[in-house]
Amino acid sequence: EVQLVESGGGLVKPGGSLRLSCAASGFTFSNAWMSWVRQAPGKGLEWVGRIKSKTDGGTTDYAAPVKGRFTISRDDSKNTLYLQMNSLKTEDTAVYYCTTEGNSGSYPKSFDYWGQGTLVTVSS
Amino acid sequence: NFMLTQPHSVSESPGKTVTISCTRSSGSIASNYVQWYQQRPGSAPTTVIYEDNQRPSGVPDRFSGSIDSSSNSASLTISGLKTEDEADYYCQSYDSSNFVVFGGGTKLTVL
Repeated sequence: EVQLVESGGGLVKPGGSLRLSCAASGFTFSNAWMSWVRQAPGKGLEWVGRIKSKTDGGTTDYAAPVKGRFTISRDDSKNTLYLQMNSLKTEDTAVYYCTTEGNSGSYPKSFDYWGQGTLVTVSS
Repeated sequence: NFMLTQPHSVSESPGKTVTISCTRSSGSIASNYVQWYQQRPGSAPTTVIYEDNQRPSGVPDRFSGSIDSSSNSASLTISGLKTEDEADYYCQSYDSSNFVVFGGGTKLTVL
């Protein structure tokens, strides 16, 4: 059974930093493309970014609102995905979901499995 | 870039059929696959349709997806509505750089 368990959320002041983790099990994590998707309170889904598998280059892509402030990384030895968030803004307040992203060669296909999410609140 | 536009809300009675649309603002809807996600209140999203019309295992065949090039839109159809289908539904696709685009979501009420 695929499991994705996020952790690390909490309250942080504007301008602060936070690192989220996503522990994965039930599939071959090293082969998986992984993404972060967030959802502000009462709002829709917003893609944050992705990291490809090392066999596919291990490269990252970021949505415009977070590029330059957020960094996605992975530790395949620990089956864990990370999201380092710096220079946080109040508009970054959201539930952050970790997802697996199916792919066909160099093309993404869909978000297949989702974690339960972790809440990040940016407020003074 | 393009936008995916969904109706804010739809409602229908149990046992009936409902269709939720997702219209692409520019470029062809057929250019990139469309996915649909269901999010029940207080829960994480789950995939109900991927690659325009494919159902993951465990998703009932009451759920179906399609695309229509004439209206440049994708649709999610749910037949034999059940109260458990009440949820928010999001369409999703990719742009030419493989960046993710989500629709704004549709609240389905089964009354």
